[in-house]
Amino acid sequence: SQTIHQWPATLVQPVGSPLSLECTVEGTSNPNLYWYRQAAGRGLQLLFYSVGIGQISSEVPQNLSASRPQDRQFILSSKKLLLSDSGFYLCAWSAGHKVNQPQHFGDGTRLSIL
Amino acid sequence: QQQVKQSPQSLIVQKGGISIINCAYENTAFDYFPWYQQFPGKGPALLIAIRPDVSEKKEGRFTISFNKSAKQFSLHIMDSQPGDSATYFCAAASDNYGQNFVFGPGTRLSVLP
Repeated sequence: SQTIHQWPATLVQPVGSPLSLECTVEGTSNPNLYWYRQAAGRGLQLLFYSVGIGQISSEVPQNLSASRPQDRQFILSSKKLLLSDSGFYLCAWSAGHKVNQPQHFGDGTRLSIL
Repeated sequence: QQQVKQSPQSLIVQKGGISIINCAYENTAFDYFPWYQQFPGKGPALLIAIRPDVSEKKEGRFTISFNKSAKQFSLHIMDSQPGDSATYFCAAASDNYGQNFVFGPGTRLSVLP
C-alpha cells in the first residue's frame, strides 16, 4: 500500500533562517506531488505541484520554493523565512497521469516562526 | 470561477443527529468532488467522493448528494457521533484544471455527547 511521510512534525525557526521540509511517498511511482499551507482554522492553499522529476509549478508567488530531486521526493525550501510563513504545511500525492484521482495527505509539519 | 463555497463555517450537532454541510461551485468543468475529514494536528483524509454522473453516493453513515443543475453538493452524516467531530472540506477537480483540487474553506463540526 502507498504511504506518505513528512518530517519534521514540528519546527520552530527564527525569522530570516532557511527552511527545508521533506516529503516522500512509498508504494507508487510517477505520483503527482503537492505542497499546501493551512493557516490556523483556515482552508488549504496550494503552494506547488509537480507532475514529474524537476517539474514544479507554483500557484502563489512567495519566498518559498519547491524541488523534486527524485520521483517520490518533494522538498519545500526557503532561503529566508518570514513571520508570515508560519502555518501548517501539508504534502500530498495523487496517482499520476490519471483523471479524477483523490489526493492523499501526510500528517503535516507545524512551522512556527519566531 | 475556480472558487468552491462551503457552509456553514461551523456546526454543532447532538449525538445521533444528522450533520449537513453544503458546497457550491461555478465552474461546470469540475467533474470530481471529494470530501475530506481532518482531525486537529493531522492531514486531511479522504472520506468519500462523487462524480457528476450520479446524484447520490453512500458509504456507511456518510452520504454525498449531488445536484448538477444547481452546481451544488452536500455531505450528510447520519447518526452523528462525538468521534465525527472534525473539520470537513469539500473540493472540486477537473482535468481542465490539471487535476488540481479547489478546496472549500472548511466546516468545523462538533458533535455533543
